[in-house]
Amino acid sequence: KQEVTQIPAALSVPEGENLVLNCSFTDSAIYNLQWFRQDPGKGLTSLLLIQSSQREQTSGRLNASLDKSSGRSTLYIAASQPGDSATYLCAPNTGNQFYFGTGTSLTVIP
Amino acid sequence: NAGVTQTPKFRILKIGQSMTLQCAQDMNHNYMYWYRQDPGMGLKLIYYSVGAGITDKGEVPNGYNVSRSTTEDFPLRLELAAPSQTSVYFCASREGLADETQYFGPGTRLLVL
Repeated sequence: KQEVTQIPAALSVPEGENLVLNCSFTDSAIYNLQWFRQDPGKGLTSLLLIQSSQREQTSGRLNASLDKSSGRSTLYIAASQPGDSATYLCAPNTGNQFYFGTGTSLTVIP
Repeated sequence: NAGVTQTPKFRILKIGQSMTLQCAQDMNHNYMYWYRQDPGMGLKLIYYSVGAGITDKGEVPNGYNVSRSTTEDFPLRLELAAPSQTSVYFCASREGLADETQYFGPGTRLLVL
């Protein structure tokens, strides 16, 4: 069974800082990995999907990396803004099923 | 394009009652999923479907049933509601071939008392 761990569980940074969110998973036989953002009381919004054959995927100020063999992915957020405050979830896909971590709760202080 | 829609948004059930959570998508996606999210926890997969007429259990299927008679709809049935089923339920879909991205609905908050 795939186990997904996200570190740190919570993070508070001043506006403008660059930051890294970490995701580790136990089963490296994945097809892809998706990063999501969840605002309080809302559904999940997809940020990036990185295929198992890729090392990196970029969208605007976000960059996701994947090291499949070591079971790790990172989400890099550049020049953080208060609007980035949310919970970030990673979800590796082992075929038909996605497995979710408990997320990193990010607060960006103006 | 409405994406993934879920109804109701919020519901209170008494122990032992039954209900159906509705999920629909208008993107012609093959794959559909039901998850539950408990406070402070990640999402757990309840059931999923790879196409009309095909469903399979996820990690936490006990107490739930699903059906997939059309591509668009994937209802989740709760029989004999229990307090342990108090949670937020999310439906998601993905195309599965050209696009692996999962798209989520806004969720249904369920309280069982």
